[in-house]
Amino acid sequence: AQSVTQLGSHVSVSEGALVLLRCNYSSSVPPYLFWYVQYPNQGLQLLLKYTSAATLVKGINGFEAEFKKSETSFHLTKPSAHMSDAAEYFCAVSEPVLTGGGNKLTFGTGTQLKVEL
Amino acid sequence: DGGITQSPKYLFRKEGQNVTLSCEQNLNHDAMYWYRQDPGQGLRLIYYSQIVNDFQKGDIAEGYSVSREKKESFPLTVTSAQKNPTAFYLCASRGSSGIERSGYTFGSGTRLTVV
Repeated sequence: AQSVTQLGSHVSVSEGALVLLRCNYSSSVPPYLFWYVQYPNQGLQLLLKYTSAATLVKGINGFEAEFKKSETSFHLTKPSAHMSDAAEYFCAVSEPVLTGGGNKLTFGTGTQLKVEL
Repeated sequence: DGGITQSPKYLFRKEGQNVTLSCEQNLNHDAMYWYRQDPGQGLRLIYYSQIVNDFQKGDIAEGYSVSREKKESFPLTVTSAQKNPTAFYLCASRGSSGIERSGYTFGSGTRLTVV
């Protein structure tokens, strides 16, 4: 069964500092991996996704993530944090349909990012 | 504009009552999903439907029911059997090209509170 672990339920950074949100996955086959962002009382918005093409994936709002199979990781980074980045971030995994994954997403427990002046 | 509409945004339920949360999409997506979100627990799958008139239980289906009579609509009923229904409920849909191409589109959620 697939699963996702997000280390750190709360991360605080200064404006302009590097953002690093950690995600490790468990999957029996090469997975599809996603990062979503959620602002208060809203739905989830896709930031970026890895679907077995390039291992370094660039997303919206200056975020990127690198798929590292050897470390089973898909950490999210942004070189310089902005106040508008304050939100909750979710990592998610899906197994391909042919392996029985059925296109279902399994989410991590989320990381709340706080950006301070 | 195409998207997913969830209503109402806020819903209050008395103990012992059934309530129905609405989810409508005009994206022509085949698959639809219901997730429950609780603080510190991420999103957990309640039910999903890959085609009209068919649906499957997710990880936490007890106390919930769904129907999929139309492609555009996937309502969720929270029954009195659900002992702890207070949560944020999110509906999502996915196109037929697969998750790797179309991903999920989420609605803006319904916050249900038991009073």
